[in-house]
Amino acid sequence: GQNIDQPTEMTATEGAIVQINCTYQTSGFNGLFWYQQHAGEAPTFLSYNVLDGLEEKGRFSSFLSRSKGYSYLLLKELQMKDSASYLCAVRDGAGAGSYQLTFGKGTKLSVIP
Amino acid sequence: GAVVSQHPSRVICKSGTSVKIECRSLDFQATTMFWYRQFPKQSLMLMATSNEGSKATYEQGVEKDKFLINHASLTLSTLTVTSAHPEDSSFYICSAREVGRNYEQYFGPGTRLTVT
Repeated sequence: GQNIDQPTEMTATEGAIVQINCTYQTSGFNGLFWYQQHAGEAPTFLSYNVLDGLEEKGRFSSFLSRSKGYSYLLLKELQMKDSASYLCAVRDGAGAGSYQLTFGKGTKLSVIP
Repeated sequence: GAVVSQHPSRVICKSGTSVKIECRSLDFQATTMFWYRQFPKQSLMLMATSNEGSKATYEQGVEKDKFLINHASLTLSTLTVTSAHPEDSSFYICSAREVGRNYEQYFGPGTRLTVT
């Protein structure tokens, strides 16, 4: 099974940097994903980490430490449109060809002027 | 590319009736499609995994006779909520994994089901 923890809510100022943490305890591990979800909409893919280290993609970066069961999503130069929920999801390696994702409860980020 | 559509986007039905939700991959072939349910302020909960041409695999606690899944082609999966009850009211989201791509799932826009 999987247990994924992330803060429920965060608030940050426009133009600032915010880091959203995610910790996980899993019976298997085959990748960690971050998704952005605006209210009433489906999640959109942000990043994927399977090896330790930092993956940078524009204003968003994601970090993974498999030994610590820890990841973070870093958002730079925050914009008002970044106000959304950010979901951490882990793919387990159980079963051949398993691609199931287990999602955390999400972190609701509010960007204020 | 990699667009997934769902139909309908919103549906209101009476208790006891059945509702069918379609999930289509528009510009790619999907070996596997996933169905999730999301209650307000909760995360996505995987309901079932469907592979084209075979029976769906349901998560623990999800009634397979109530939530019928059919994945008849590489571009279409359907979820039918049978004998719907008010507690089935939720946001249903499908995702699809493209043939040959190992990790990314593409999500549909979701279907808001309200059972009265």
